[in-house]
Formats: sequence, C-alpha cells, structure tokens
Amino acid sequence: AQSVAQPEDQVNVAEGNPLTVKCTYSVSGNPYLFWYVQYPNRGLQFLLKYITGDNLVKGSYGFEAEFNKSQTSFHLKKPSALVSDSALYFCAVRNEDSNYQLIWGAGTKLIIKP
Amino acid sequence: NAGVTQTPKFQVLKTGQSMTLQCAQDMNHEYMSWYRQDPGMGLRLIHYSVGAGITDQGEVPNGYNVSRSTTEDFPLRLLSAAPSQTSVYFCASSLARGDREKLFFGSGTQLSVL
Repeated sequence: AQSVAQPEDQVNVAEGNPLTVKCTYSVSGNPYLFWYVQYPNRGLQFLLKYITGDNLVKGSYGFEAEFNKSQTSFHLKKPSALVSDSALYFCAVRNEDSNYQLIWGAGTKLIIKP
Repeated sequence: NAGVTQTPKFQVLKTGQSMTLQCAQDMNHEYMSWYRQDPGMGLRLIHYSVGAGITDQGEVPNGYNVSRSTTEDFPLRLLSAAPSQTSVYFCASSLARGDREKLFFGSGTQLSVL
C-alpha cells in the first residue's frame, strides 16, 4: 500500500536559518512526489514536484526538495527561512501507474521565529 | 482571476440534514475533486471527475454524492449528515493531461454536524 509519513508535527526555525521539512514515502514502482503549502484559512498551494530526472527540484518561494531513492525520502528545504514561510506543509505521492489519487501526509506545521 | 470558488465558507448542520457544497472553477480544468481535511490526517479524496458527465469514487466516498453536468461546476452533496462528517472540505481542480497533479484549491468549507 502507498503511504506518506511526515515524522514531525511541528518544526521551529529562527528567521534566516536553513529549514528542512521531512517526508518519507512508500510506493510500488516509481514515485511521483509533491509538496504543497497551506497558509491559515486558505486552500493548499502547489510548491514543487518530482517526477523524474535531477534529484534536486526547485519550486516556488525559494523552496527546493531533494529526492533520495535509497532512503525513500523527499525532504523540503530552504536555505534561509522567512517569517512568512510559517504555514502547514503537506507532502503527497502517487506511483506512475495510479490514476489521480494522491496519498497525502498528515502535514507539518512550520513556525519561523523572528 | 477567481480560480476555484467554494461556497459556503462555514456551515452548521444537524444530524440527518442534507446540503450541497458548491465548487466552481473558471480555468477550464477537466479534473475536479473533493477532499476532506481532518486534524492530524492528510487530505482524503472523496470523489473526483475527469470531465463533464464523468465521476468516480475516491478513498472515502460513503455519505457523499457528486455530479458534473458542466466543466465549471462540481457540487458535493451530503445526503444525511452525520457528526463524522464534521471536517474542512476542499475542492480542487487541475488539467487532466499534462500537469495534472498541480492542483488548484478553493479556500475551503468548514462544516460542523451537531
């Protein structure tokens, strides 16, 4: 069965420091991986995706994510955090043979402190 | 540029009542879907549609009906509300071909069933 784990409910980072939000997955076959962000009282917004190719994927708002096949991970990163990055972050996955059904992680609350 | 519009934003129902959550998109997206978001859990797919006249069940379809008579609209009907349906509901759309996992979300409907 496909699954996604976001092991941290909350991540606290000081403004200006690098941030990492972790995601691990389990799928059969090749994974399609995604990160979305949810700001308070808003719908989710697409950040980035990995389908194939370069293991480091760049996305919106200066975020990037690194695909690691051996560790089945897809961690979200940013070199220098902003207070405005504070939000809820969701990782999602599907395998190449499934239809539209993404499997979502439970989300990680990112808090950036000034 | 409206994107995905959901109404209402908030709703309180009594057990056994029925209601329809509205969703409309103006991006000519073929794919539309309904998710529910519960605390500590990832998004769960209720129903989806890949075009007018075509709908299919997601992960948690019981107690919900959908129809897709036009490309723009994808209403979600709760047939007989139950407290277990208390949740935040999101409608999302995307292109059916190409970048189909780049979902565009509405701002959500917070539903409480008493």
